[in-house]
Amino acid sequence: GAGVSQSPSNKVTEKGKDVELRCDPISGHTALYWYRQSLGQGLEFLIYFQGNSAPDKSGLPSDRFSAERTGGSVSTLTIQRTQQEDSAVYLCASRRQGNTGELFFGEGSRLTVL
Amino acid sequence: AQSVTQPDIHITVSEGASLELRCNYSYGATPYLFWYVQSPGQGLQLLLKYFSGDTLVQGIKGFEAEFKRSQSSFNLRKPSVHWSDAAEYFCAVGDPTGNQFYFGTGTSLTVIP
Repeated sequence: GAGVSQSPSNKVTEKGKDVELRCDPISGHTALYWYRQSLGQGLEFLIYFQGNSAPDKSGLPSDRFSAERTGGSVSTLTIQRTQQEDSAVYLCASRRQGNTGELFFGEGSRLTVL
Repeated sequence: AQSVTQPDIHITVSEGASLELRCNYSYGATPYLFWYVQSPGQGLQLLLKYFSGDTLVQGIKGFEAEFKRSQSSFNLRKPSVHWSDAAEYFCAVGDPTGNQFYFGTGTSLTVIP
C-alpha cells in the first residue's frame, strides 16, 4: 500500500485477555519498528525488525510482549494477559533498506484495557 | 548514551507569530536529525530531516531547522504560525551506524487567535 497500515485502529479489551496488533509496512521497506505512546508521553521503543529477524528487542517491557514478522512484511505485536498499564497507542513505522532514511509511521492502534 | 531533549513541554503562540521549538541531543558523532509532527489521533508525519551538507534545512508546511554542531542543537522554526500548526512536535536522532532512533518527549503547540 501507499503507507503504513495498522489494525485495529481501536481495541478495547478486558484485563487478562490477549491482544494482537497488526502492522503492514510500506512495500519494499525492510526495517520495521514498534513504539508505544502512553497518554501525554513520548515514544517508547519496543522492538525493531530487519527483514524477519529482530536484532533489538530491548524495549519489550515484559515477557507478556512478543512480536513477529513474516515474509519480510507484515508484523504482529502480541500482548498476553493484558494489564491496565498496557493501555496506550502502539505505533508502527517502516524504513527502506540501508542506514539512511526516515521512519514512516502508521496511524497507530489505540489499546484500552479495562 | 544517546538522548534527545526537548526542554519545552508546552508552548502557546498567537497566530501569525514566529515559532521556535528547541531540540538538543547527545551523541558521539553527527547523527541524522529529524522533526516529526503528530496531530491528534494521527501518526507521526515527517517535517524535515538533516543528514549532511547545508545546516539549514527546509521542510514541509513552511518549517525550517538549523543544525548547530557546537550547541548539539536542531531547533525548529517557522516565521508565521497558522492555527493548523497546533499539534505535538517530536525531535528525533537516528544512529548513522545502525538502525536505532531516539525520540524526544515532544513539545505540544497551542495556537491562539
